[in-house]
Amino acid sequence: DTAVSQTPKYLVTQMGNDKSIKCEQNLGHDTMYWYKQDSKKFLKIMFSYNNKELIINETVPNRFSPKSPDKAHLNLHINSLELGDSAVYFCASQQGEAGNTIYFGEGSWLTVV
Amino acid sequence: AQSVTQPDIHITVSEGASLELRCNYSYGATPYLFWYVQSPGQGLQLLLKYFSGDTLVQGIKGFEAEFKRSQSSFNLRKPSVHWSDAAEYFCAVGAGITGGGADGLTFGKGTHLIIQP
Repeated sequence: DTAVSQTPKYLVTQMGNDKSIKCEQNLGHDTMYWYKQDSKKFLKIMFSYNNKELIINETVPNRFSPKSPDKAHLNLHINSLELGDSAVYFCASQQGEAGNTIYFGEGSWLTVV
Repeated sequence: AQSVTQPDIHITVSEGASLELRCNYSYGATPYLFWYVQSPGQGLQLLLKYFSGDTLVQGIKGFEAEFKRSQSSFNLRKPSVHWSDAAEYFCAVGAGITGGGADGLTFGKGTHLIIQP
């Protein structure tokens, strides 16, 4: 069973469209994240949620809206897609305290054309 | 703010040779430190982590890392690399943004490991 699963794995879409990436974790963790990996492989945190509550929003444009319907899910919706949004988006989860292992999904490759 | 520096963008090592990947961090308190590996087209897998205790940490796949506070370093080592070790390696520090458990990680820019036959 995949611990952190994301769908879709690949997404090609046109500029201006709205798209969503879904994430689910079956580890029973209370904290979930979205990370963005750019074309140079640099990983940067976008959002973190703890028990469905937004904790961190790292200067992400408000076209990006995370939604956590429950502790096991953290979806990412992106409005009005731009070319610069092309990246790999990773969902991750962690139990509780700082220092605990963060488990990553396999990534969602978004290409905006 | 926390930061992580991986000075080597690419490293090429012959199969069977030893490996050391460098990582330096900037953090005010005792850091939580991690090494992750990313194979092509894959997600990130944890190799090992340090947050207290013995400064030499053993991980999966034969990797180890040593925390040196005086040098602000957490270098990753392997005595003999295999072709399957070719991947991107990321050092990370607990982000400490809010001080709580949902701060996530601040990553270095990664080191691309190439294995020569």
